[in-house]
Amino acid sequence: ETGVTQTPRHLVMGMTNKKSLKCEQHLGHNAMYWYKQSAKKPLELMFVYSLEERVENNSVPSRFSPECPNSSHLFLHLHTLQPEDSALYLCASSQAGRAFFGQGTRLTVV
Amino acid sequence: RKEVEQDPGPFNVPEGATVAFNCTYSNSASQSFFWYRQDCRKEPKLLMSVYSSGNEDGRFTAQLNRASQYISLLIRDSKLSDSATYLCVVTPSGGSNYKLTFGKGTLLTVNP
Repeated sequence: ETGVTQTPRHLVMGMTNKKSLKCEQHLGHNAMYWYKQSAKKPLELMFVYSLEERVENNSVPSRFSPECPNSSHLFLHLHTLQPEDSALYLCASSQAGRAFFGQGTRLTVV
Repeated sequence: RKEVEQDPGPFNVPEGATVAFNCTYSNSASQSFFWYRQDCRKEPKLLMSVYSSGNEDGRFTAQLNRASQYISLLIRDSKLSDSATYLCVVTPSGGSNYKLTFGKGTLLTVNP
């Protein structure tokens, strides 16, 4: 248990569905992240929030929409995804460069 | 030059072997350095920080060479359970320390 909790752990959704991934951290960290990791590929940074402000958005398609309502919670809203979006989505939080990851949501788009 | 570069491997070593990984970084202003391990289909986990004077945690030794801009991880007496992908992470100092730059990872397989 790293102090970063992600739900759901697994998600299967159709291309016309709307779903949200949730991340919660109780570590008092001031930065939160969404990463995507496709099978046997490196981590891809999607979004970074620092002090609840989005500071990085790495050319992610608009079908992914992040939300950070407070320093402890981060959401990733999904709509009209494509099969190639199937991957492991990892949330992380960090303080002073030390990052802790949630266990991830394994997403399958059908 | 990429911000952080690692040899992707794979490294295949027998149990008991000593193995070392290097990670080079391009930004000389980088301030903090870390090694993570990621098991197959799991999330990355912080393994150890890397301090300027070098540091050791059991069978693991991490070192920093600022002049040549690389960090290293040495694993002694490898165990089967050390099989994983090892990721280096570099961050700047101060207010931008949310910028985590991950290497692409080095895959290690320890064989019986």
